[in-house]
Amino acid sequence: EAGVAQSPRYKIIEKRQSVAFWCNPISGHATLYWYQQILGQGPKLLIQFQNNGVVDDSQLPKDRFSAERLKGVDSTLKIQPAKLEDSAVYLCASSYHRGMGPETQYFGPGTRLLVL
Amino acid sequence: AQKITQTQPGMFVQEKEAVTLDCTYDTSDPSYGLFWYKQPSSGEMIFLIYQGSYDQQNATEGRYSLNFQKARKSANLVISASQLGDSAMYFCAMRYTNTGNQFYFGTGTSLTVIP
Repeated sequence: EAGVAQSPRYKIIEKRQSVAFWCNPISGHATLYWYQQILGQGPKLLIQFQNNGVVDDSQLPKDRFSAERLKGVDSTLKIQPAKLEDSAVYLCASSYHRGMGPETQYFGPGTRLLVL
Repeated sequence: AQKITQTQPGMFVQEKEAVTLDCTYDTSDPSYGLFWYKQPSSGEMIFLIYQGSYDQQNATEGRYSLNFQKARKSANLVISASQLGDSAMYFCAMRYTNTGNQFYFGTGTSLTVIP
């Protein structure tokens, strides 16, 4: 079974530029999560999708971040314009249902973003 | 507010010895799940073990066990017979069932296994 795929793996941009990250979850997984992990910290949930609907985006900086999952499968996270403090690893994860009980999330390899 | 605390930024353990990584949490919700993940230097988060808030017994998965003390709100991870490949960051996380199943992660503990 293929795991969660993310691209690109690395990205370097200048501040005020735009960037987009792509995630393809495990086949059949209804729930998709985007996390931001700043160096030395634990992952912070940015947005959670259930199929193509948003379950939680309370910690997404909506003035510059946006995400979509149009067909309930793969997803795109965009930052426009980027700031220095957006430098982090962006992790995508998926789970089969809504993450009930012992069901865990499965994480992708992440995208390392550096904003100069 | 929900909160996960890992007070050990770094830990060292001798190969083949056991080590305990601490995790405490704060919630007023009766239903929640506790998870431990391993993050090697490659960056990918690997699921290790799960404990439900209503589970009567401590969870075990191979060399991993979870010391769950509900009254003290702690969920410590015990790794037995440490191996060099166990060197990594370890994150404790909690999922709150009553609030849309969001995950909240602690700040992590860096474990180094010494040969």
